[in-house]
Amino acid sequence: DLQLTQSPSALSASLGDRISITCRASQGISNYLNWYQQKAGRAPTLLIYAAVNLQGGVPSRFSASGSGTDFTLTIRSLQPEDFATYYCQQSHSTPWTFGQGTKVEIK
Amino acid sequence: VQLQESGPGLVKPSQTLSLSCTVSGASVSSGNYYWNWIRQPAGKGLEWIGLIYTFGATGYNPSLKNRVSISLDTSRNQVSLRLTSVTAADTAVYFCAREGRYTTSPQYSWFDPWGQGTLVTVSS
Repeated sequence: DLQLTQSPSALSASLGDRISITCRASQGISNYLNWYQQKAGRAPTLLIYAAVNLQGGVPSRFSASGSGTDFTLTIRSLQPEDFATYYCQQSHSTPWTFGQGTKVEIK
Repeated sequence: VQLQESGPGLVKPSQTLSLSCTVSGASVSSGNYYWNWIRQPAGKGLEWIGLIYTFGATGYNPSLKNRVSISLDTSRNQVSLRLTSVTAADTAVYFCAREGRYTTSPQYSWFDPWGQGTLVTVSS
């Protein structure tokens, strides 16, 4: 199976901070990479699809980059509602797989 | 489009887990969509279980070997999941999610929307 490794696994940040989360694939996956946000007790929601495309309704402080094996999700100016766990997911080859998640906590 | 999972919250070991995902705002039998099941054990990450295409083709995670099957009930506009011979390791929140795909190459795809999830506990 294609493995996705996120880093860091957790991070503490303050309101207004800029943070980045990295997702590395075990093999090249072009732009077949999505990002999701999951708040405690809720289902994940789509933030970014095809590596760089912002899902409709998602605030513009979220952005993403990358292609091949290395991808980054960036949140500019953290807001209270952004404290959550973030997952990357590949749609290059089945079985679809997810990264292990990055929990963003309040410092 | 909204998805809602339903089914027993408690299943005994060795028995069969059966869940339904009721879809509103879209038809499970039309459109270029795939209907997926994904699960998440408490405090852990997400595991893809499998999918079914609008026209009935299926794909499953090999990790679940031959225990899983997914089907469509077009009369009820539902997507169903069956997982046989369950053990405590199958205890998780089970989500259904619609997978959209580009119709032309490259066929990027993504999960949106998701159901709220339903907790299934395997215990005697």
